[in-house]
Amino acid sequence: EVQLVQSGAVLKKPGESLKISCQGSGNSFVSSWIGWVRQKSGRGLDWMGFMYPGDSEIIYTPSFQGQVTISGDRSVSVFYLQWRSLKASDTAMYYCVRGGFDWGQGTLVTVSS
Amino acid sequence: QSALTQPASVSGSPGQSITISCSGTNSDVGAFDYVSWYQQHPGKAPKLIIYNVFNRPSGISNRFSGSKSGNTAFLTISGLQADDEADYYCDSYTRSRPRVFGTGTGLTVL
Repeated sequence: EVQLVQSGAVLKKPGESLKISCQGSGNSFVSSWIGWVRQKSGRGLDWMGFMYPGDSEIIYTPSFQGQVTISGDRSVSVFYLQWRSLKASDTAMYYCVRGGFDWGQGTLVTVSS
Repeated sequence: QSALTQPASVSGSPGQSITISCSGTNSDVGAFDYVSWYQQHPGKAPKLIIYNVFNRPSGISNRFSGSKSGNTAFLTISGLQADDEADYYCDSYTRSRPRVFGTGTGLTVL
């Protein structure tokens, strides 16, 4: 069974940096794409970007290009989503996804002064 | 590129069937057979219920079915049950960016 376990909820101030993680278990990560999804206020899902198998190419959706950084190490099935300078508007739940089939439990990010 | 268009809400009585539409363009839904549907209960992560237009992952009830006609995809839920009350999102591969979600539909079981 594939599982994705994400890091815990965080409270940050505007302007701070953040890196959240997604740890996979099982052996289905070498050949699967990994995506990150934002959900604000419990409604509406937005793809943020993807890390593809093989050469681990990373593609961001237009709204998130330049706003976040996706990275990961497939050899240990750990993936990251990073912000250099958080804004209040980044407050949301963030999910990692494996190939559409498996989802992490979500990481709640709250940005408030 | 905008999100795929779904009705904001649908409702049905237990035992009935409902269909949720997901309207896209010939650059996404109409161009590829890579439409997925997700179910999300309040406070939970989304769950894949249909992939590649009509395929069900292991463990998903055959009460859930998917189809596509032109630029519109459809999710049909037959034999409605109370636990089907949730938000439903479609998702498609696109020409211009990897994937896009639908706007989401809230299903109420009366």
